[in-house]
Amino acid sequence: AQTVTQSQPEMSVQEAETVTLSCTYDTSESDYYLFWYKQPPSRQMILVIRQEAYKQQNATENRFSVNFQKAAKSFSLKISDSQLGDAAMYFCAYMWRGATNKLIFGTGTLLAVQP
Amino acid sequence: DGGITQSPKYLFRKEGQNVTLSCEQNLNHDAMYWYRQDPGQGLRLIYYSQIVNDFQKGDIAEGYSVSREKKESFPLTVTSAQKNPTAFYLCASRESVGLSYGYTFGSGTRLTVV
Repeated sequence: AQTVTQSQPEMSVQEAETVTLSCTYDTSESDYYLFWYKQPPSRQMILVIRQEAYKQQNATENRFSVNFQKAAKSFSLKISDSQLGDAAMYFCAYMWRGATNKLIFGTGTLLAVQP
Repeated sequence: DGGITQSPKYLFRKEGQNVTLSCEQNLNHDAMYWYRQDPGQGLRLIYYSQIVNDFQKGDIAEGYSVSREKKESFPLTVTSAQKNPTAFYLCASRESVGLSYGYTFGSGTRLTVV
């Protein structure tokens, strides 16, 4: 079975600093996608960044970047120049590019940003 | 603007009652999903539908039922058989192509048993 593990229930970062959120996953498939979603207090799920497994280059979206290590099945999220608005729950998610395309989520990391 | 609308935002259920959560999308997406969110457990898949008039159980389908009579609509019924229904429920949809874009989510329904 495919699983996603986020081992950091809570993290804290100072405003303008950099923080890295960890995520590991388990799968026997080779063709899949990985995602980071942000859930602010409004509880709206917002896509932060995505990575296609066949691409070796790490995805980047402005202040957000990932470190994708396929062999190690690791997919960490780095937030640079942290802002107060980055405070949220962050979920790592996996989707096998198969018949059902189900998103499998980790348990989340609650990020606090200190002014 | 295209999107997913979930209603109501808050719902209260008495013991033994069935309640239905609404999910409507105008994105022309084929696939739709229902997730349940509990503190410390992430999002768990309840039911999903990849096409009209067809749906499959997810990981925690017991005590829930769905229908998919229209492409735009995927209502979730929480039945009296669901022993612990208090949770936050999220509906999502996905286009048939462009899988790398993941899902589009609604704003959720908070269900509380009173």
